[in-house]
Amino acid sequence: GAVVSQHPSWVICKSGTSVKIECRSLDFQATTMFWYRQFPKQSLMLMATSNEGSKATYEQGVEKDKFLINHASLTLSTLTVTSAHPEDSSFYICSARAGTSGTEGEQFFGPGTRLTVL
Amino acid sequence: QKEVEQDPGPLSVPEGAIVSLNCTYSNSAFQYFMWYRQYSRKGPELLMYTYSSGNKEDGRFTAQVDKSSKYISLFIRDSQPSDSATYLCAMSARGTYKYIFGTGTRLKVLA
Repeated sequence: GAVVSQHPSWVICKSGTSVKIECRSLDFQATTMFWYRQFPKQSLMLMATSNEGSKATYEQGVEKDKFLINHASLTLSTLTVTSAHPEDSSFYICSARAGTSGTEGEQFFGPGTRLTVL
Repeated sequence: QKEVEQDPGPLSVPEGAIVSLNCTYSNSAFQYFMWYRQYSRKGPELLMYTYSSGNKEDGRFTAQVDKSSKYISLFIRDSQPSDSATYLCAMSARGTYKYIFGTGTRLKVLA
């Protein structure tokens, strides 16, 4: 099956610093990648959708200047949380869509990154 | 009213039982229906992916979609303690890749 990796798996940072999270599709080219946020015992909330080579589309209520997304290649998307604050502490999960026949629409998720802002 | 409703559980069953997990939805435009399994502190793992109505079977898992009732189900046969996880349903409409997730049902299979 399609494999998506995330790095780092967990990160602790001080308030006011920026944190970058990488999402990679390891065995397929991802035309579209998605970034989700998940609070404890809650479901996944889509933050933004990114297509390779174009600007990300952010969901309503998500600050695009705070959550910077770059989809530089068909296998890599990054999420940078700028000037992180304790309320940004959460579990961030990316997913990738292959967009080829037979898999169109399926999203494969990474293992997630747990961010703790002190 | 949420677009997708899912009982959060927890649902506790003995090992070997048949488990039934369900979601209801309100948006008739949904065409794609997915079930994911998520272990604690891990990313969701795709279990079943179905299009429109009908049944789909994969090993111990069977997914059913009833679009007329706006109701989907996931059945797990011969449940194992390793099946203990949170099960998320997700849906999307044709022409969009945006998934709408249920809140997830926590399942505990007791040995």
